[in-house]
Amino acid sequence: GQNIDQPTEMTATEGAIVQINCTYQTSGFNGLFWYQQHAGEAPTFLSYNVLDGLEEKGRFSSFLSRSKGYSYLLLKELQMKDSASYLCAVSVGGGADGLTFGKGTHLIIQP
Amino acid sequence: GAVVSQHPSWVICKSGTSVKIECRSLDFQATTMFWYRQFPKQSLMLMATSNEGSKATYEQGVEKDKFLINHASLTLSTLTVTSAHPEDSSFYICSAISGREYEQFFGPGTRLTVL
Repeated sequence: GQNIDQPTEMTATEGAIVQINCTYQTSGFNGLFWYQQHAGEAPTFLSYNVLDGLEEKGRFSSFLSRSKGYSYLLLKELQMKDSASYLCAVSVGGGADGLTFGKGTHLIIQP
Repeated sequence: GAVVSQHPSWVICKSGTSVKIECRSLDFQATTMFWYRQFPKQSLMLMATSNEGSKATYEQGVEKDKFLINHASLTLSTLTVTSAHPEDSSFYICSAISGREYEQFFGPGTRLTVL
């Protein structure tokens, strides 16, 4: 089976930095995605990593280590609107396959 | 950017009735569409993969006779929940990809409540 683990909940302070970790054990690997999901809404795409290393996009960065089955999402200069669930997902079979999602990390931003 | 719409955004129905949910790619042709289900405080679970003009591929544990999927064109896929029961109440989300692109574009979701 597929296994994707991430913390259930995290709390951080406005203006600070937070790192959300994700570990995965899957039968295949064709890339790792991070999505943001506000309550009652569909996920929105944040990042995609298929090679080892860090991908930076504005306040958000994502890191991947395939040998360790590990990724993290780094959020800088936190804003109140960043309060949401962050979903780690793996493409197991390739581009035409559905994604396998972790249970998501609920991030709470405090003033 | 690529936009995927879903209709309806929410629906309430009586137990035993059937409900159809539409998923449309508005500004691109979707070679493949996916249907996910999300229960409260749970992650998205893939239900089925839908390719235009062919039968859908269902994930293990998903009843194909209960969740009918039709992908008649490159811009439209429908999910029909037949004989819905309260345990089918959930958030149903579709996504679409275009060609060899890796990114899935998600629809806004449909909240189904079965009384």
